[in-house]
Amino acid sequence: AQSVTQLDSQVPVFEEAPVELRCNYSSSVSVYLFWYVQYPNQGLQLLLKYLSGSTLVESINGFEAEFNKSQTSFHLRKPSVHISDTAEYFCAVSVSGGYNKLIFGAGTRLAVHP
Amino acid sequence: SAVISQKPSRDICQRGTSLTIQCQVDSQVTMMFWYRQQPGQSLTLIATANQGSEATYESGFVIDKFPISRPNLTFSTLTVSNMSPEDSSIYLCSVEHGAAGYTFGSGTRLTVV
Repeated sequence: AQSVTQLDSQVPVFEEAPVELRCNYSSSVSVYLFWYVQYPNQGLQLLLKYLSGSTLVESINGFEAEFNKSQTSFHLRKPSVHISDTAEYFCAVSVSGGYNKLIFGAGTRLAVHP
Repeated sequence: SAVISQKPSRDICQRGTSLTIQCQVDSQVTMMFWYRQQPGQSLTLIATANQGSEATYESGFVIDKFPISRPNLTFSTLTVSNMSPEDSSIYLCSVEHGAAGYTFGSGTRLTVV
């Protein structure tokens, strides 16, 4: 079975500082990896995903994540955060190949302070 | 990617009653997934619904409490039965569509009083 561990439940950071949200997964088979964001009182939005190919994936709003198979990690990074990045971030994993359930980590609350 | 219409968006229900949540997808999908997000927590998978067969439930969830219907490739319902305050959560449906990943409905915020 697959599992996801998000190592930090909360990450406080000042505006314009860099941030890293850590995610490790466990699986005996190939996986797809995802980061979702949930803004306060809003629905779940896909931030970025790794399916195959380049291990570095980027989102349109400046986030990036790198798939590291040897360390079974998929950490999310942003070089300079904004107040508007304040949200809950969820790392998720599914078995590759399609039509498989998505398993979520516990989430990391990113709080950006002025 | 697929677009999901989920309703109701929120409801307040009396304990002991049942609520049925509907999800309509704008394209045909093989699998639909139902999740629960308890207050301040992550998403937990309730069950996977495949058209034409019984849903597959995750550990800790049973069909008598959360019956699911999947009458066709674009629609599914989840019923929360005999509700108690502990059922107060956000319930979300989701579909998977290959390389586009997973799309989620906007959620149903349920409060049981």
